Amino acid sequence: DIQMTQSPSSLSASVGDRVTITCRASQSINSYLNWYQQNPGKAPKLLIFAASSLQSGVPSRFSGSGSGTDFTLTIGSLQPEDFATYYCQQTYSSPVTFGQGTRLEIK
Amino acid sequence: VQLVESGGGLVKPGGSLRLSCAASGFTFNTAWMNWVRQAPGKGLEWVGRIKSKTDGGTTDYAAPVKGRFTFSRDDSKNTLYLQMNSLKTEDTAVYYCTTALRGRYYGMDVWGQGTTVTVSS
Repeated sequence: DIQMTQSPSSLSASVGDRVTITCRASQSINSYLNWYQQNPGKAPKLLIFAASSLQSGVPSRFSGSGSGTDFTLTIGSLQPEDFATYYCQQTYSSPVTFGQGTRLEIK
Repeated sequence: VQLVESGGGLVKPGGSLRLSCAASGFTFNTAWMNWVRQAPGKGLEWVGRIKSKTDGGTTDYAAPVKGRFTFSRDDSKNTLYLQMNSLKTEDTAVYYCTTALRGRYYGMDVWGQGTTVTVSS
């Protein structure tokens, strides 16, 4: 199975900050890496697919990059609604696996 | 485009439960459907998937549920099922059905609201 490791596990930031979350795969997954945002009690929401493609309706302050084993999610200028938990996911091979999550909190 | 899960509840260890996921707004019979769960306070865990019948209709299961859970689909009813047998306390979670409309590589863009399964004596 491909292991996905996110860092940091938690992050405190302020509105307006630029933040970056990283995700590392235990083997190459080409660009089959997706990012999700989850708010408490809600289903995950797809933000970025195929490493760098922005899902329709997602604000452009969200961006993704990377290929192979190392990926990043960047939020350009944090808004109050961005404080949530973020997960990476590989869909390169079965079983599909998720990172452990990064909890983004208000400083 | 919508997925609506149902069937969750409280069940004793060793018991069984069947979840349903009703789909609408997209071509269900060509969609590969997934189940993802989230234990209380924990992260997301892929439970498995069932392919479309045109792609063979086969299933893939995560190791913790293999041999206990069974996925099925009724394309005439646009409904996905998850039969859970020999339930364990560690199966307690919110269960989501989800699909990737662009194709299995490109992110799961449709999710249900989730249904809660609690396994406890």
